[in-house]
Amino acid sequence: AQSVTQPDIHITVSEGASLELRCNYSYGATPYLFWYVQSPGQGLQLLLKYFSGDTLVQGIKGFEAEFKRSQSSFNLRKPSVHWSDAAEYFCAALGYGGSQGNLIFGKGTKLSVKP
Amino acid sequence: DAGVIQSPRHEVTEMGQEVTLRCKPISGHNSLFWYRQTMMRGLELLIYFNNNVPIDDSGMPEDRFSAKMPNASFSTLKIQPSEPRDSAVYFCASSLEGEGNQPQHFGDGTRLSIL
Repeated sequence: AQSVTQPDIHITVSEGASLELRCNYSYGATPYLFWYVQSPGQGLQLLLKYFSGDTLVQGIKGFEAEFKRSQSSFNLRKPSVHWSDAAEYFCAALGYGGSQGNLIFGKGTKLSVKP
Repeated sequence: DAGVIQSPRHEVTEMGQEVTLRCKPISGHNSLFWYRQTMMRGLELLIYFNNNVPIDDSGMPEDRFSAKMPNASFSTLKIQPSEPRDSAVYFCASSLEGEGNQPQHFGDGTRLSIL
C-alpha cells in the first residue's frame, strides 16, 4: 500500500543549528512529493514540492529538500534554524498523474527550537 | 491574493446541536477538500469535490456528516447531530487540478468543541 512515513514525532534543535527532517515514501513509481508546515492555530502552508527534474528543491523560508530515489526519501533541510521555525512539518505524496484527492500525508514531525 | 477562507474560526456547542462549517476556496480553483485533524488520528481527508461534484466521500465518518458545494465559491460541512468525539480542527483546502497538478492551499481551520 502507498504510504508516507515520518520517523521522528518530535525534534528539538538549538537556534542557529542545522535541521533535517526525514520523510520516506512507499509507492510503485516516483510520486509527487510535498512538504507543508503548520504553525500553531494555522492551516498547512506549502514549503516546497518535487515533481521531477533537479533532485534538490528550494522552498520558502530558507528550506530545501532532496529527493533520493534509491532511499525512497525526501528529507527537508535548513542550514540554520530560527525560533520562528518552531512548528509541525508534514511530508505528503501523490502518485504520478493522480488527483490531489489521493494525497497521502505523513503523521507529522513537531519541531521545537531552543534559544 | 485571498487564500482559502473558513468560518467560523472557533465553534463551541453542546452535543446534539447542528454545526455548519463554511469554506470559500481560492477563486479559480476547481477542487475542494475537507479535512479533520485530531491528536489521535492526525490529518484525515473527509471528502473532496472537483468542479462542485463530490468525488470521494469515503472519509466521511458517519451519516451525521454531510458536505455540499452549491457553487464554485462556497462549500459547507454539516454535522447533525454533533457529538463530543467530533471535537477537532476542520480544514478546508482548494487546488487547481488539470494544469500541472498544483498543490493544495489550506485555510486556517475551524476549531470545533462539542460539549
